[in-house]
Amino acid sequence: DVKVTQSSRYLVKRTGEKVFLECVQDMDHENMFWYRQDPGLGLRLIYFSYDVKMKEKGDIPEGYSVSREKKERFSLILESASTNQTSMYLCASAPRGYEQYFGPGTRLTVT
Amino acid sequence: GQQLNQSPQSMFIQEGEDVSMNCTSSSIFNTWLWYKQDPGEGPVLLIALYKAGELTSNGRLTAQFGITRKDSFLNISASIPSDVGIYFCAGHMSSNYKLTFGKGTLLTVNP
Repeated sequence: DVKVTQSSRYLVKRTGEKVFLECVQDMDHENMFWYRQDPGLGLRLIYFSYDVKMKEKGDIPEGYSVSREKKERFSLILESASTNQTSMYLCASAPRGYEQYFGPGTRLTVT
Repeated sequence: GQQLNQSPQSMFIQEGEDVSMNCTSSSIFNTWLWYKQDPGEGPVLLIALYKAGELTSNGRLTAQFGITRKDSFLNISASIPSDVGIYFCAGHMSSNYKLTFGKGTLLTVNP
């Protein structure tokens, strides 16, 4: 079975803090994705990576950056957290662009 | 960008009833996927469809890839309480890595 793990299930941070969310997959997938999920807005793609050190912006990249130094690990960085970044963050990996496999999610609250 | 219209937005049914939901798009997709998300968890891939007209089953779940390639349907037979959750459709175009997601159908099953 594909296993995608995320570093935290719940996280509370203060406005202005730098926040790191980590995602690890164990299936040697090339592609990894970061989404945020908000009520009424569905799943929105923040960034994705199709290879080590390669990244592309998704639909809502503003306020976020990513890092992929190793194939199995994809990090999402909030450079200066703001309250409007309170959300559920979901990581996914895929052997190709489709059939994405999701992690359990991190519920981030920024106060 | 592409949009998927998923309906209904929510359903309240009695245990044992059959359920139908669908997704439509103005764009053609090459792959359709159906996910289920339990409260507080990440989406889990249920069924993937790769060819127009394809009908695929996974236990009590059956999904179809529409002939026009602009729609897909998911049916759940003989619902049980653990079917409760949000069901998402997603479409993939081979021109990029991204999935386009529907907003989800919230299913409630009354025992």
